Amino acid sequence: GAVVSQHPSRVICKSGTSVKIECRSLDFQATTMFWYRQFPKQSLMLMATSNEGSKATYEQGVEKDKFLINHASLTLSTLTVTSAHPEDSSFYICSARDLRQGESEQYFGPGTRLTVT
Amino acid sequence: DQQVKQNSPSLSVQEGRISILNCDYTNSMFDYFLWYKKYPAEGPTFLISISSIKDKNEDGRFTVFLNKSAKHLSLHIVPSQPGDSAVYFCAARSSGNTPLVFGKGTRLSVIA
Repeated sequence: GAVVSQHPSRVICKSGTSVKIECRSLDFQATTMFWYRQFPKQSLMLMATSNEGSKATYEQGVEKDKFLINHASLTLSTLTVTSAHPEDSSFYICSARDLRQGESEQYFGPGTRLTVT
Repeated sequence: DQQVKQNSPSLSVQEGRISILNCDYTNSMFDYFLWYKKYPAEGPTFLISISSIKDKNEDGRFTVFLNKSAKHLSLHIVPSQPGDSAVYFCAARSSGNTPLVFGKGTRLSVIA
């Protein structure tokens, strides 16, 4: 299947700082990328959807000024957690699809574990 | 309002037997359904999918059944192997550029 990478795989930061997470589609062009977060023993919760070259669409309850998403190219999307707080500690997973392939699968990255101290 | 429900948080099965994981959905606009396998601290791995125009899709040891009238789908794994032990997520979406909606997952343990 298609490969999606995330970097870093884990990051620890201090409260009040910002953290950027990168998501790359390695062997296909992602017209759409999704960002999810998962709390322990919970399901994956969609945070936002981004289409290449457009602004991201955020789910209800997700602060767009706190979670900045950029999808500047067909292979790269970034999620920046600004002014991080301990409650932002979570497992963040990106996912990508190429809508030009019709009913295509949605492929997931390996996730990034964020710990805010 | 949970649109995709996996009512069994966990399931234990003996090696070699059949594992049946169930999923129910409420949104009649969903027309594409997927199953993902997930290990701790890793992203979900796609297993198998089914379109609403079908009622069965098979891939090796994995078969997904869809009952649209009951808004129910199931994943059958046979024979189950210890390496199948993981959390399985059911996901669904409607057509077009819509995101997947996930269930809460079922933790499968295959006992040798």
